[in-house]
Amino acid sequence: NAGVTQTPKFQVLKTGQSMTLQCAQDMNHEYMSWYRQDPGMGLRLIHYSVGAGITDQGEVPNGYNVSRSTTEDFPLRLLSAAPSQTSVYFCASTGTGGRQTQYFGPGTRLLVL
Amino acid sequence: SQQGEEDPQALSIQEGENATMNCSYKTSINNLQWYRQNSGRGLVHLILIRSNEREKHSGRLRVTLDTSKKSSSLLITASRAADTASYFCATSGGSYIPTFGRGTSLIVHP
Repeated sequence: NAGVTQTPKFQVLKTGQSMTLQCAQDMNHEYMSWYRQDPGMGLRLIHYSVGAGITDQGEVPNGYNVSRSTTEDFPLRLLSAAPSQTSVYFCASTGTGGRQTQYFGPGTRLLVL
Repeated sequence: SQQGEEDPQALSIQEGENATMNCSYKTSINNLQWYRQNSGRGLVHLILIRSNEREKHSGRLRVTLDTSKKSSSLLITASRAADTASYFCATSGGSYIPTFGRGTSLIVHP
């Protein structure tokens, strides 16, 4: 199993540009989520999904969109990038019941100029 | 707002000493998890403790949970330089989506 994969690893954007951060998991996990990590802030939840076709907002959803058309994929879209979105983004997946351990991808470092 | 808060924010010890980190949270939980993050890397799951459990062990790690005080502690015994990392607690309620604290930065000096 590859676990949770994220692409790209690093991206530089100009203010106003849009982009999609990709996330995929091969563990057949129902739950997937996106976090951003800023210095001194720990991880903050952006959006999450409890299954294909179902998404919900987390703590800091503004400026981001998500969709979940398949169990495996959970892309995060930045519609119009802003310098405040400079951060490291982590995707994670979680099973349910006895499989509640959350698995993280390696992260995407985003710099918005 | 973040559910869990770790204490202390930073901890510096010598190799061989024990390291204790604490986590407090606000609302009821289904489980609490501890993660480690090495500088510039992703998070690695260390241990999960369910709300009906009081203590769990994994190798040199010992986690306790006191739901009446809404707190947990992570003890790393006989620490090594390789344990240098940030440690996060994360709590899950009904949604199974963990909410993280700001972390404890542990430095173990050789």
